[in-house]
Amino acid sequence: QVQLVQSGAEVKKPGASVKVSCKASGYTFTSYDINWVRQATGQGLEWMGWMNPNSGNTGYAQKFQGRVTMTRNTSISTAYMELSSLRSEDTAVYYCARGGPYGDYDYWGQGTLVTVSS
Amino acid sequence: QSALTQPASVSGSPGQSITISCTGTSSDVGGYNYVSWYQQHPGKAPKLMIYDVSNRPSGVSNRFSGSKSGNTASLTISGLQAEDEADYYCSSYTSSSTPRYVFGTGTKVTVL
Repeated sequence: QVQLVQSGAEVKKPGASVKVSCKASGYTFTSYDINWVRQATGQGLEWMGWMNPNSGNTGYAQKFQGRVTMTRNTSISTAYMELSSLRSEDTAVYYCARGGPYGDYDYWGQGTLVTVSS
Repeated sequence: QSALTQPASVSGSPGQSITISCTGTSSDVGGYNYVSWYQQHPGKAPKLMIYDVSNRPSGVSNRFSGSKSGNTASLTISGLQAEDEADYYCSSYTSSSTPRYVFGTGTKVTVL
């Protein structure tokens, strides 16, 4: 069965970086985009960007450009999202989600809580 | 690119039908038939309920249906059940390269 398993919770200081992993199984990793979505406590979903695991092509929401990097290691079917220059407003649960070219995220990771605190 | 507009809350009694709206622009909802709906229970990841405006993934109850008119998409839940109480989000593909997708503001569905 399709699964996306994310890395564990992180606590970071302001100004630091965090790298969240998303390991895919149960399907051909390079056949579907991986998107990253975050959700602050009590808030809505926010789309951060996408990555094509086959080509490595990426696209980021303007809000995160310059701070976010999405990469992958196809040999271990794992996608990564790195966010730098962290601030308290980045405290949120970060999700990876498998998607087609027009959205419709049919499988989601369990989420990774990133807490930014001094 | 602003978030799509949804009502903050919608409620209904068991067995009733409710409809959640999702209003965007001609650059997103109105311009493409790529609207999805997600259900999210507290502490859980979102679950895809509807894609491409009106299609249901395998395993999703036929009590959930989607439609679109102009710049507004809608999710209807018929025969409301206690387990339908959750947050619901719409999303749409956009003509903008950044962001490529946009989510709605979210709607809390309460089963009375």
